Amino acid sequence: NAGVTQTPKFQVLKTGQSMTLQCAQDMNHEYMSWYRQDPGMGLRLIHYSVGAGITDQGEVPNGYNVSRSTTEDFPLRLLSAAPSQTSVYFCASSPSDRPRETQYFGPGTRLLVL
Amino acid sequence: DAKTTQPNSMESNEEEPVHLPCNHSTISGTDYIHWYRQLPSQGPEYVIHGLTSNVNNRMASLAIAEDRKSSTLILHRATLRDAAVYYCIEVVLGGSEKLVFGKGMKLTVNP
Repeated sequence: NAGVTQTPKFQVLKTGQSMTLQCAQDMNHEYMSWYRQDPGMGLRLIHYSVGAGITDQGEVPNGYNVSRSTTEDFPLRLLSAAPSQTSVYFCASSPSDRPRETQYFGPGTRLLVL
Repeated sequence: DAKTTQPNSMESNEEEPVHLPCNHSTISGTDYIHWYRQLPSQGPEYVIHGLTSNVNNRMASLAIAEDRKSSTLILHRATLRDAAVYYCIEVVLGGSEKLVFGKGMKLTVNP
């Protein structure tokens, strides 16, 4: 298994541009989530999904959209990038709809918004 | 906000045991304690989790106090690869189904 994969690894955007961060997992996990990590900070939850067709907001959802059309994929869309969205973004998945189980994290996408 | 408190940092020596403390004084009876760690420039990695009794796996041991208000992650023999930021996380049963990460604790392992 490839586990949780994220693309791209690094991206530079200009303010106002839009883009999609890709996340995929091949472990048939129902639960997937997106976090952002700012320098010196812990991770903050952006959006999560407990299964295909079901998404919900996390702690910091503003400026981001998600959809979950398949079990494998959970893309994160930045609608109009702002410098405040400069961060490292991590996608994670879990084998059940509760996070008590192990969460597997991807390698991250570093985003710089100018 | 994170419901756990940890020291900002700790140092240890290679090949010696390390005890990483965590306080979770407001924990309820059904909340689990999870530990994750994050190596430099990588995503977090699951370490261990527990509810009431002590837990062991190939990576570490988790000792949970009898009153459950604190716990200790034990690395039996620290290696340089164990240098990371360690997060102690209280997982709330039901509700929003999320891990709430605090700032964590930076472990430095000296050769």
